Amino acid sequence: GAVVSQHPSRVICKSGTSVKIECRSLDFQATTMFWYRQFPKQSLMLMATSNEGSKATYEQGVEKDKFLINHASLTLSTLTVTSAHPEDSSFYICSARGGQDPFYEQYFGPGTRLTVT
Amino acid sequence: GQQVMQIPQYQHVQEGEDFTTYCNSSTTLSNIQWYKQRPGGHPVFLIQLVKSGEVKKQKRLTFQFGEAKKNSSLHITATQTTDVGTYFCAGLTSGTYKYIFGTGTRLKVLA
Repeated sequence: GAVVSQHPSRVICKSGTSVKIECRSLDFQATTMFWYRQFPKQSLMLMATSNEGSKATYEQGVEKDKFLINHASLTLSTLTVTSAHPEDSSFYICSARGGQDPFYEQYFGPGTRLTVT
Repeated sequence: GQQVMQIPQYQHVQEGEDFTTYCNSSTTLSNIQWYKQRPGGHPVFLIQLVKSGEVKKQKRLTFQFGEAKKNSSLHITATQTTDVGTYFCAGLTSGTYKYIFGTGTRLKVLA
C-alpha cells in the first residue's frame, strides 16, 4: 500500500511556542489530506481537510488561527500548532488520499505525539 | 451532528474465541471503512463496504454492511493474540467528503 510519513514522531515543547508537523505522501500524489487528533483511548476526531493549493476546511470547534494548515504541494501538508498550551497535548495523525473521490482509500501517517509542558 | 457509535467499547476474549464489534450510524452512509489500530500505532485500513447488505471476508475476518446502510459489523473467528488492538469503523455520509470515525472497540485477546 501507499506510504505516508509524519515528522516529527514525538515533540515536546514549552507552553506558548509553536510546533510544525509535516505529513508527506511518499509514493503517490495526495490530492486531499486530513488532519486528525486522538486523545488517549479515544477515537479519531477530524480537525480539518486540506486540498492541494486551496485553503483548509476546518471542522466545527477547531480554531483555524491556532491550527494552521498548509497543503502547498501534492506530497506535503503541514500542521502548525501556534501558541501551544498543555491542553493541545495529543496524538496528531494525518491521512492522505490520492483523489478527490471520497471512495478512494485514505492512508494514515504514523502520527505525532505532541506534549506541551 | 452525525454520530457513529460502536459496541462494545471493550472486549476481552480467550484466544480461539470469536469476537464481533458493531457499528451504528445516526444517518445513512454511502460507504463504510474499517480500520485496525494496534497499541501505540496508527490506523491501518482493513476494508471498504459500499453496497447494501454487502458481506466481505478476509481470512478470519467477516465484514457486513446493513441493508439500510446505517450499520455494519466486523466478526473475527477464532481470535489470535495478533488480533489485539482497537477496531474503528468510519462512515461516509452521502454528499460529504469526509469520514466520521466510530468510537472504536478495543479488543484484548488472552492467551
